[in-house]
This record gives sequence, structure tokens and C-alpha cells, in this order.
Amino acid sequence: SQQGEEDPQALSIQEGENATMNCSYKTSINNLQWYRQNSGRGLVHLILIRSNEREKHSGRLRVTLDTSKKSSSLLITASRAADTASYFCATDDWEGAQKLVFGQGTRLTINP
Amino acid sequence: EPEVTQTPSHQVTQMGQEVILRCVPISNHLYFYWYRQILGQKVEFLVSFYNNEISEKSEIFDDQFSVERPDGSNFTLKIRSTKLEDSAMYFCAGASTPRETQYFGPGTRLLVL
Repeated sequence: SQQGEEDPQALSIQEGENATMNCSYKTSINNLQWYRQNSGRGLVHLILIRSNEREKHSGRLRVTLDTSKKSSSLLITASRAADTASYFCATDDWEGAQKLVFGQGTRLTINP
Repeated sequence: EPEVTQTPSHQVTQMGQEVILRCVPISNHLYFYWYRQILGQKVEFLVSFYNNEISEKSEIFDDQFSVERPDGSNFTLKIRSTKLEDSAMYFCAGASTPRETQYFGPGTRLLVL
């Protein structure tokens, strides 16, 4: 079964620096989504990238998708303390299942 | 901006008791989902629901679980006889079409003692 796996598992950077998180998956997908989760809270949708897209931007977020390598990256530019959270990628299933399969997540800490 | 809401935010129950977790999806959503996240672990799919029927369910979603959309707004997850291992955060999600963005609620933290 497909599975999104993020790396690194934890990332700690200084405020103002850029943060890059990576996600790999195993099978063909329709789209890949990135979510943020503040500690113990709900999942906030950040961005959806479709399998025929290579790059997408939303504010300070940049997502890339390489379907040949079955990988995606999330770049947060000019990080802020409020960006401290866990970030998850989630993939759906090319063959039609609607469920999302989540990775283990990257715990991002922005130090002031 | 419309949001998915869930109640209660926290629930503590005794093993063997029934619990009902409630969700109010965004009004124009037609596809509904339940996921759970055991503390420190990844988010896991439980069940998807469309047109008053289960579309897909995971191995976790056994006979102790059921879902219902009793009226036009609420979407519920019932656990008939809770076990200790059911302790988790339960998330409801919705989407307007399949394979589009799924919008998640804030979750219900369930603790089974």
C-alpha cells in the first residue's frame, strides 16, 4: 500500500530561515496534500498539488512534486515562530479510493 | 469562512461504554470521512461516507464502529463498546468532490479508561 513518509522527522531552525520538508510515497497518486498540525490540535490544509503539476505556490509556501521519484517537498520561506508545528503530507489513491494516507510528519520548530 | 466543527472536544469514558462523536461538515460538502490519530502516531483513515452509504472502510473500522448522517447537517461516529486502544484523537473531514481537498475538523480527543 502507498505510504507518505516525511523527512526529516524533526527540524529546528532560526526565525527568518527557510525550512524544507520532504515526502516520499510508493504508488501512483491523483494528488498530494500538505497539512499543518499545531500541538494537539486539528489538521489545517495548506496546499494540494495534482499529479500533473510540478510546482505550486501559496504565500510563503512552495510545494514541488516529482512523480518520477514519487516525492514532494514543502518549502516555507522566511519562517516565523508561528510556523512551529508538525507538517504532514497525505496522498490519495490513483485507483479511486478517496481516503488519504498520511505520513509520520515532520516536527518543525522555529527558534526566535 | 465555513469550518468543520466537532463535539465534544474531549471525552473521557469507561472501557465498554458507548460513545458518539459528532461532526457538522461544511454545508456544500457531500463526501465525509473519519480519521483517527493515536498519540504520537500518524493519522489513520477509518471510513468514508457518501450518499448515505459507506464508500470504504479500513481494517480498524470493525463491527464496533458505525457512522450515520441522521439529518442534513450532522455526521456521527459511534463506538459501541470502547476499548483502551480506542483512545485517540478522532477527526472528521469533508470534501465537495472526491480527490479534492479534504477539510478537517478540530478533532475529539477520546480517552478510554
